Formats: sequence, C-alpha cells, structure tokens
Amino acid sequence: AQSVTQLDSQVPVFEEAPVELRCNYSSSVSVYLFWYVQYPNQGLQLLLKYLSGSTLVESINGFEAEFNKSQTSFHLRKPSVHISDTAEYFCAVSEMRENTPLVFGKGTRLSVIA
Amino acid sequence: SQTIHQWPATLVQPVGSPLSLECTVEGTSNPNLYWYRQAAGRGLQLLFYSVGIGQISSEVPQNLSASRPQDRQFILSSKKLLLSDSGFYLCAWSVNMNTEAFFGQGTRLTVV
Repeated sequence: AQSVTQLDSQVPVFEEAPVELRCNYSSSVSVYLFWYVQYPNQGLQLLLKYLSGSTLVESINGFEAEFNKSQTSFHLRKPSVHISDTAEYFCAVSEMRENTPLVFGKGTRLSVIA
Repeated sequence: SQTIHQWPATLVQPVGSPLSLECTVEGTSNPNLYWYRQAAGRGLQLLFYSVGIGQISSEVPQNLSASRPQDRQFILSSKKLLLSDSGFYLCAWSVNMNTEAFFGQGTRLTVV
C-alpha cells in the first residue's frame, strides 16, 4: 500500500522569499501525485497534480512541483511567496494499478511573515 | 460544472447524542464519494467511501456509519457521539477512485 511523508509540519518564511515543502511517497507501483491547499476552516483545494508526462507541473498561482521517481519525491516550490499563501498544504498519492482512494500526508503549515 | 454541498458548517453536540451530516454533489453522475475526518496535527483520515448507491466501504472501525441513499447523496451518522468524535469532517467526490478528489467546505463538529 502507498504512503506519504511530509517532512515538515510547519514552515515559516518571510514574504517574497522562496519556499520548498517536502513530500516523499512510498509505493511498489507507479503513482499519481497531488498537492492540495487548505485555508482556515475551509475544504481542500487541488493545487496541482502529476498523472503522466512532464515531471514538472505548475499551478496558476506560481507554485510548481517536480516528480522525482528515483528519490520518490514530489516537493512543492514557489520562488517568491505572498502573505496570501499562508495555509496548510497536503501532499497525496494514489496508485495507478489499483482502484483505491488517495492517501494524504499529515500536512505542512506554511506561515508567511511580513 | 460540478459542485459539492456539505452542511452544516458548524455543529455543537452533547456526548451521547446522534449525528447526521449530509453531503450532495451536483453536475455529475455516479461519483465516488468520501468522508474524511481531520484532527489537528493528524492530517486527513479516510473514514468511508462509496462507489455507488448502497455500497459503503469503511476504512476505520468506530461508532460512525455512512449511507448513500441516492446517487449523489452521502450521509455520515452516529447513534451516540463520543468526545473523540470532535473534528473537522470533509466530504469529497471524484470521477475515478485514484484521481483527484474535490472537497466540500467541511463541518466542524464539537462534542461537549
């Protein structure tokens, strides 16, 4: 069965600085990968996803993530963060071969400091 | 376009009382439906999922149950709430089981 590890529970960063939120997964088969964002007292919103093709995927608000099969990682990056990026970010994985639900990491709370 | 509705947004219930949370999806047919619980610092825990009417899979044994009386309706219930049932409950849907899920706005349940 697949699993996800988000290595940092909290990441503080100054406004306009770069940030990387780390995500590693474990699976014996090919996977799909996802990043979600959650603002306080709201549901999760899909930020970006990797299904196939280019290993670098981008979101509309400047985030990107790169699928690295050899390191089993899918880290989320942004070159310059804004106050509005303050939120909780969840990495999720599913297995291509199986019809099973997504498995989520425990989340990383990104706090952007002015 | 598809939308998902979940209510109520907040709920305060005494220990031992029953629970019913409802979720409906519009704009799609035969969606996969999910109930998750989110506790502080513990990420998302999948409670139940359903691939069709009357078909419920339970991921975690507990005093909660789920039902799917209609194609786009998913209900989370309990006969007697425990303090440990407090949390943020999220309903979600997807087209395929292993592709992206779309979430409702959540219900914050406080059991007192």
